[in-house]
Formats: sequence, structure tokens, C-alpha cells
Amino acid sequence: GNSVTQMEGPVTLSEEAFLTINCTYTATGYPSLFWYVQYPGEGLQLLLKATKADDKGSNKGFEATYRKETTSFHLEKGSVQVSDSAVYFCALLTGANNLFFGTGTRLTVIP
Amino acid sequence: EAEVAQSPRYKITEKSQAVAFWCDPISGHATLYWYRQILGQGPELLVQFQDESVVDDSQLPKDRFSAERLKGVDSTLKIQPAELGDSAMYLCASSLGPQRVSNYGYTFGSGTRLTVV
Repeated sequence: GNSVTQMEGPVTLSEEAFLTINCTYTATGYPSLFWYVQYPGEGLQLLLKATKADDKGSNKGFEATYRKETTSFHLEKGSVQVSDSAVYFCALLTGANNLFFGTGTRLTVIP
Repeated sequence: EAEVAQSPRYKITEKSQAVAFWCDPISGHATLYWYRQILGQGPELLVQFQDESVVDDSQLPKDRFSAERLKGVDSTLKIQPAELGDSAMYLCASSLGPQRVSNYGYTFGSGTRLTVV
């Protein structure tokens, strides 16, 4: 079956620090992979995606590379800002064409 | 920018009462999804529609939950009777269609926060 395992939070960083949030998955074949972000009290917003092995998704300074050999899709950002404080969800696209989400990682960035 | 509309934003109901949530997807989006997000967890799929047809409701507790999308546009999710464990955020999302999700993902609404007391 499908599973998505995310780094447990919460993660607290100082502004301008480097961010890594780990995500590994189990699925049949090579699914498309996504990162979504959820700000307090809101729905989820697509942050970035990758559709095949070795693809790199990027948006707003965030990056993630689809690693087939390690079944991973780790999220990184070189210099976080206070406005990046949110919950981040890793997800995979199932064979039924719906998204299966991890449990989320809460990031807090302090000035 | 087009949005997925959901209402109400917040709902408090007593256990054993009926409650309903409404979702209006982005115009032209054929696929509509309802997810439940329990506090501190990731969203879990309840039901997926393609136009007016249900294509996946395997995780929908059908003894108390029902969902419809009669004209293939907006959708209603109902719980009757509500239980304390139903307290969660109910998220609606839409996409252009099953073949487009890999490239475009979903667009989510802001959700309905349900509290059952």
C-alpha cells in the first residue's frame, strides 16, 4: 500500500537558517510527489511537485528532488524567513489519481 | 485567482445532530475531493467524484456520512448523526481531471472546522 513518512516536528529555526524536512514514501511504481503548505486556519497550498525520478521541484526558494533510489523527496530551503512558519505536508499521487498525505511537519521560524 | 469555495467556515454542533458542508469547486474542474483532517494529522481522503459520479468512497464511513454532487458542479457532505470523534477540519479540493493531477495537483478550499460537543 501507500505510505508517506515525514520527519517529526515541530521544527524551530532561527531566521536565515537552512531548512531540511525529510520525506520518504512507499508506493507501487514511481508516483508523482508533492509538497503542500498549510498556514494557520487555512487550506493547503501547492508548494512544489516532481513527476519523475531526478526531477527537482522548486518554488519560493524551496526545493525538493525526487530520489528513486532512496524513495525520498526531502524539502530544503537555504534561508528561512518568519513568514515560512507553517505546516508542511509531503504527498504522493496514488494509482487512483488522488493524493495521499503524510502527517505534516510544523515549522516555526523565530526572528 | 480562482478559488474553491467552502461554507460554513466554522460549525459547532451537538452530538447526534445532523450537519452539512458545501463546496463549490473551480469552474471547469471535473474532479472533486473531500478530505478530513484531524488536528495534528495529515488530510485523509473521504470521497472522490469525477463529474457527478463517485469514483472512490472506500474511506467514507457510510453508516453516517454521505456525499453528493448532483449536477457535477458543487457538492455537499453530510454527517448524521454527528459523533464527538467527527471533530476535524473538512477540506474540499478540485482538479482539472485525473490525468492532470500529476502536473497541477489539487486546489484546496479553506475548509470547514467542525466541533462536535
